[in-house]
Amino acid sequence: DIVLTQSPATLSLSPGERATLSCRASQSVLTYLDWYQQRPGQAPRLLMYDASKRATGIPARFSGSGSGTDFTLTINSLEPEDFAIYYCQQRSSWPRVTFGPGTKVDVK
Amino acid sequence: EVQLLESGGGSVQSGGSLRLSCVASGFNFNSYAMSWVRQAPGKGLEWVSTIGGSGGFTYYADSVKGRFTISRDNPKNTVYLEMSSLGGDDTAVYYCAKDSGYLNFNFEYWGQGALVTVSS
Repeated sequence: DIVLTQSPATLSLSPGERATLSCRASQSVLTYLDWYQQRPGQAPRLLMYDASKRATGIPARFSGSGSGTDFTLTINSLEPEDFAIYYCQQRSSWPRVTFGPGTKVDVK
Repeated sequence: EVQLLESGGGSVQSGGSLRLSCVASGFNFNSYAMSWVRQAPGKGLEWVSTIGGSGGFTYYADSVKGRFTISRDNPKNTVYLEMSSLGGDDTAVYYCAKDSGYLNFNFEYWGQGALVTVSS
């Protein structure tokens, strides 16, 4: 299975700061890489698909980049509701899709 | 508005069985694959199973293959997950999720989740 590694495990920032989250794949996933946000006590929500495309209703402060094995999710100017856990997911090796372990963005 | 409503969660003894249901609304149900993704307490996300829009294609994670069965009833806009030979590792919140397409294997919308607790 393709293994996804996310870093850092925890990112402590203040509202208004920029968050940069990394996801690395154990082999190329082309751009079949998606990002999800999970707020406490809630179901995950699709943020980005195909590495850089925002899902429906996702604010423009969220952006994604990368291809192959290295990907980045950037959140410009953190809002209070952005403090959450973020997961990357690859679907290059469907049906054996896998998720990363998550990055928690918390308040500094 | 897309809505997914799971039911059927609960407590079951090790070795037992349980069936989860997910009723969908707000989209053309038979045009989209549906999946189940689970999350053990305090842990990350794990894909469990996916079924194509017509029900003709089904896929399972190795961890549940042979024990879980996914199915769908398109006239009822419902997807099911039949779980048997349950063990402690199956304790999790089970989310029903709508694919972004026929079989894109990403999860565009999620239900609120159904908690399954397996006790020994």
